Amino acid sequence: GAVVSQHPSRVICKSGTSVKIECRSLDFQATTMFWYRQFPKQSLMLMATSNEGSKATYEQGVEKDKFLINHASLTLSTLTVTSAHPEDSSFYICSAREPGQSGNTIYFGEGSWLTVV
Amino acid sequence: AQSVTQPDIHITVSEGASLELRCNYSYGATPYLFWYVQSPGQGLQLLLKYFSGDTLVQGIKGFEAEFKRSQSSFNLRKPSVHWSDAAEYFCAVGRRGGNKLTFGTGTQLKVEL
Repeated sequence: GAVVSQHPSRVICKSGTSVKIECRSLDFQATTMFWYRQFPKQSLMLMATSNEGSKATYEQGVEKDKFLINHASLTLSTLTVTSAHPEDSSFYICSAREPGQSGNTIYFGEGSWLTVV
Repeated sequence: AQSVTQPDIHITVSEGASLELRCNYSYGATPYLFWYVQSPGQGLQLLLKYFSGDTLVQGIKGFEAEFKRSQSSFNLRKPSVHWSDAAEYFCAVGRRGGNKLTFGTGTQLKVEL
């Protein structure tokens, strides 16, 4: 079946630095990908919609200058957390819709743990 | 606006017992409904989905869910739970033609041996 892959699965960075997380659709082309954030023992909150070849659409309250999203190809979207702070530590998950016949089937990546120290 | 409610934060069942996880949604039209499972520290795995047609949908790992429009529910069931089913389960709703999903708060399933 369709596979969405994220890299890295875990990353530790120093406060004030930037870190990039990649999301790849391995079996299909995804014009749209989604980035979610999940705090421990909580549900997933949509951060932004990544659109291939155009600007991302951010949800209310998400700082677009802090969470930079680039969707440079039909199989790759990247999330860059800029000037990271400890409160940015979280589990980040991407998803992509498999295009096709029966409507929306949305697959998720394995997630990326970010720890800012 | 669409919303999803999973009333049970934690559920504990004995291995071999039946399981039902509740999910209620609020949506103005016919929704797309999903159940995902998440093991600790892992991403989400799609268990099953409902788009249209037969209201009883079968998924992977022996799970099934029934869409009941009159009750705005999409409860997940399994006749006999295995210890490996212990995980967090999320119900989600999406819009036809759209891609955004709104998730419930999740139900943590524990399985007693």
